[in-house]
Amino acid sequence: NAGVTQTPKFRVLKTGQSMTLLCAQDMNHEYMYWYRQDPGMGLRLIHYSVGEGTTAKGEVPDGYNVSRLKKQNFLLGLESAAPSQTSVYFCASSYSRGLMNTEAFFGQGTRLTVV
Amino acid sequence: AQSVAQPEDQVNVAEGNPLTVKCTYSVSGNPYLFWYVQYPNRGLQFLLKYITGDNLVKGSYGFEAEFNKSQTSFHLKKPSALVSDSALYFCAVRDVGGGATNKLIFGTGTLLAVQP
Repeated sequence: NAGVTQTPKFRVLKTGQSMTLLCAQDMNHEYMYWYRQDPGMGLRLIHYSVGEGTTAKGEVPDGYNVSRLKKQNFLLGLESAAPSQTSVYFCASSYSRGLMNTEAFFGQGTRLTVV
Repeated sequence: AQSVAQPEDQVNVAEGNPLTVKCTYSVSGNPYLFWYVQYPNRGLQFLLKYITGDNLVKGSYGFEAEFNKSQTSFHLKKPSALVSDSALYFCAVRDVGGGATNKLIFGTGTLLAVQP
C-alpha cells in the first residue's frame, strides 16, 4: 500500500520554465491538498480539491494551477517558475467524513529550486 | 476566517519534564483538529485528532491534547518528554459543517527541543 506518492522528489528549474508536480493516492480519498513549506511560514495551502473534477483556491494560489481529472491524482502546475516559488511542496489526501478516518496523509515532499 | 495560531516558535524542555505545545484556532463552523509531527527532511506524521466526544484525546508516542471550545484551544501535551520527541510540531484545523470550506489549514509550527 503506497499511500501518497509525489513525483519528482527533487527538481531545479530556471526562471520562466514550467513544470508539473504529480500526486497520486491509492486510498480512495475524496479530498486532496497541495501545500508549500517555507522556513518560519509553516505549511500554506496552495490549492485543494474536494472531489474528482473540482478544485478550489487555498491561501497562496497565485502562480499555480491544479487539475483533478482522476480521483487518485492531483496535479500542481507552475506555468512560469519564479525564484519565490523555491520551496518544499507537500501533497496530502483524506476522506471527507467519518469519525475514524478524517486525518490527512502526506507525501514525502518535492524540493523545488528555481534559479 | 479560518486560521490556526501556534504562538511559540520554539519550546525548550528538559528530558523527563512535562511538555505543552500551544495551539488556538478560528473557524466559522465546527472544527476538526489535528496534530502532526515532522522530523528533519521528512513528511508530516499524524499524531492525534479531535473530531467529537471526549475533550481529552490520546495519540501516538504518549502524546495527548485537550480540546477547549470556550478558549478555542487544542494544546498538545506529554507527561514526560524524551529527547527523541525533538521535532517540529504542527497544529491544523479543518472547517466542517454547513457552508464550510473544508480547507485544512496549518499553523506555522513549533520546534520542540528536549535537552538531555
